[in-house]
Amino acid sequence: EAGVTQFPSHSVIEKGQTVTLRCDPISGHDNLYWYRRVMGKEIKFLLHFVKESKQDESGMPNNRFLAERTGGTYSTLKVQPAELEDSGVYFCASSQDLTGLDGYTFGSGTRLTVV
Amino acid sequence: GQQLNQSPQSMFIQEGEDVSMNCTSSSIFNTWLWYKQDPGEGPVLLIALYKAGELTSNGRLTAQFGITRKDSFLNISASIPSDVGIYFCAGQLGGGSNYKLTFGKGTLLTVNP
Repeated sequence: EAGVTQFPSHSVIEKGQTVTLRCDPISGHDNLYWYRRVMGKEIKFLLHFVKESKQDESGMPNNRFLAERTGGTYSTLKVQPAELEDSGVYFCASSQDLTGLDGYTFGSGTRLTVV
Repeated sequence: GQQLNQSPQSMFIQEGEDVSMNCTSSSIFNTWLWYKQDPGEGPVLLIALYKAGELTSNGRLTAQFGITRKDSFLNISASIPSDVGIYFCAGQLGGGSNYKLTFGKGTLLTVNP
């Protein structure tokens, strides 16, 4: 089966611009997660979708971040306007089981650089 | 929020040596996981631990879930060059809507052939 696909793999934008990251989960996986790793720090949870609903968005840093999963398939994460501290690697993961422990598969990530 | 202290931050070893890394937390987790990340890829699950005191092996990897539920270690025996990468511990509280993972900062492993 195809894995979790993230697009783009890299993005360099200027402060104040808008960027939209996309994640295509494994087909049939209802659970989709966004995580972020800022350079040298831990991977941090952003939010969790179950189908198109936000199950947990406690990790979203502020209202400049907007995640959507219309139709319960792919998801987008928009950052508007981007700030320097938003730079990092954004990972998406999907799982079939709600707990995520059946096989929480990560994508390769989108490396975002805000200059 | 919950934090995991992972150590060491980095290790540089010779091929064939054994490696040990660990994570500690100030609060309990009900599941501990160990991931490996290769350059340009996402983390891949190595071992999952579901029960306090549990000791689980996966090939040359062995991991334990601490009896207090506040720590875990990962051992790699007889390291080989392809073991190079970043190793992350992660904890999950579970239950209700607590399915998010809390990660450590990672251990960068370099293996010298």
